[in-house]
Amino acid sequence: GEDVEQSLFLSVREGDSSVINCTYTDSSSTYLYWYKQEPGAGLQLLTYIFSNMDMKQDQRLTVLLNKKDKHLSLRIADTQTGDSAIYFCAESIVTMPYKYIFGTGTRLKVLA
Amino acid sequence: NAGVTQTPKFQVLKTGQSMTLQCAQDMNHNSMYWYRQDPGMGLRLIYYSASEGTTDKGEVPNGYNVSRLNKREFSLRLESAAPSQTSVYFCASIQGGTDTQYFGPGTRLTVL
Repeated sequence: GEDVEQSLFLSVREGDSSVINCTYTDSSSTYLYWYKQEPGAGLQLLTYIFSNMDMKQDQRLTVLLNKKDKHLSLRIADTQTGDSAIYFCAESIVTMPYKYIFGTGTRLKVLA
Repeated sequence: NAGVTQTPKFQVLKTGQSMTLQCAQDMNHNSMYWYRQDPGMGLRLIYYSASEGTTDKGEVPNGYNVSRLNKREFSLRLESAAPSQTSVYFCASIQGGTDTQYFGPGTRLTVL
C-alpha cells in the first residue's frame, strides 16, 4: 500500500544546515509537500514541489526530489531555534479518492 | 481572512457523551477534511467532503459522523465518545490546483 516514511528525530546546532528526509512508495503522486507543526498548533505549509521537478528553492529552504528513488528531502540553511518543530512530508495522489498521505513527522530540535 | 477556524480548542468528555466539533473556512475552498493526530501516528483522515453536499469516509471513520452544512462549514460529531477517541482533531480545507491544505489550530479532546 501507499506509505510515506520519515525518521523520527533530528538534532542540529544553531547556524548549521538541517536535512530532513522522506521516502514514499506511490509513484503516481502529483505534488509533494513539506508542512511544519509548532507545539500546540496546526500544520502550516512550508513549501511544495511538483512531481516533475527535481529541485525547488525558497529562501532558506531547498527541496530535492529524486523520483527514481522516491526520495524527498528538505534542507533548511542557517537553522535557527525558531525552526524547532515537527516537519511532515506529504504527497497528493491522483488515483486516491482523498488524495493525501502524510508521513509520521520528524521532530527537529535546534540547539543554541 | 481568518483562514480555518475550529471550536472548541479543548474539551473533556466522559465516556458515552456526545459532542460536535465545529470547523469553518473563509477561503472559498470546495474540499474540507477532518483528521485526528495521535502520537507517533501522524495524521489519519476521518472524513472528507470534496464539495458542498458530499461527504465520504476516510481511513478511520468508525465512531464519527460529519455534516457539510454549507461551503464554509464542516462539522464532526462524536455520538458516544470512547477513550480511544482521545486525540487532537484538525480540520483542513484544500486549495484547488496545488491541493495545498490549510489547517485549523486543532481541538484537543480527552475522553475519560
